[in-house]
Amino acid sequence: ILNVEQSPQSLHVQEGDSTNFTCSFPSSNFYALHWYRWETAKSPEALFVMTLNGDEKKKGRISATLNTKEGYSYLYIKGSQPEDSATYLCASYSGGGADGLTFGKGTHLIIQP
Amino acid sequence: KAGVTQTPRYLIKTRGQQVTLSCSPISGHRSVSWYQQTPGQGLQFLFEYFSETQRNKGNFPGRFSGRQFSNSRSEMNVSTLELGDSALYLCASSLATSRETQYFGPGTRLLVL
Repeated sequence: ILNVEQSPQSLHVQEGDSTNFTCSFPSSNFYALHWYRWETAKSPEALFVMTLNGDEKKKGRISATLNTKEGYSYLYIKGSQPEDSATYLCASYSGGGADGLTFGKGTHLIIQP
Repeated sequence: KAGVTQTPRYLIKTRGQQVTLSCSPISGHRSVSWYQQTPGQGLQFLFEYFSETQRNKGNFPGRFSGRQFSNSRSEMNVSTLELGDSALYLCASSLATSRETQYFGPGTRLLVL
């Protein structure tokens, strides 16, 4: 069974500050790493899907990097805004996908005005 | 394009009963995955269906089952409900496989009394 770990569990950040958090996953039989944003009372929304070692993806003020050899990914938010408050989930897909997407428990981000 | 829809949105059942939840994927998406979220746990993979066939199954007891119809709509069934089955059940669709971007529905919140 695959374990995906996210840290920190929660994070309070001042509006305008930049922040980042970590997702670690077993690197064997890796296929894809997903990031989702889950706002309260909404559905999880896809941010990035990354597959290649060294991948970097960007969407507005949010970016992510991937290291498949050591099994970690970072999510960065530049100039945090109140609307960035959400739980950020990462999920790993490995091997034949017998376990489907394996999610971490998320990082709960609160942006303080 | 309409998003993923799930019905019902809320459900209250008693122990021992069974329940059926429904998911309609985005038009053209053929892969449907189901996830369970309980307090303190991340999203846990239940199963994935593609072309009316179960492709993968997570580590859940046989009381959890599902099926997919020719129009890609999917249902999941939980028999002999237990208190611990109280959870948010999310379905997600993707074009062909759960290793691609997942598009989530709003979820069905099940309470077992």
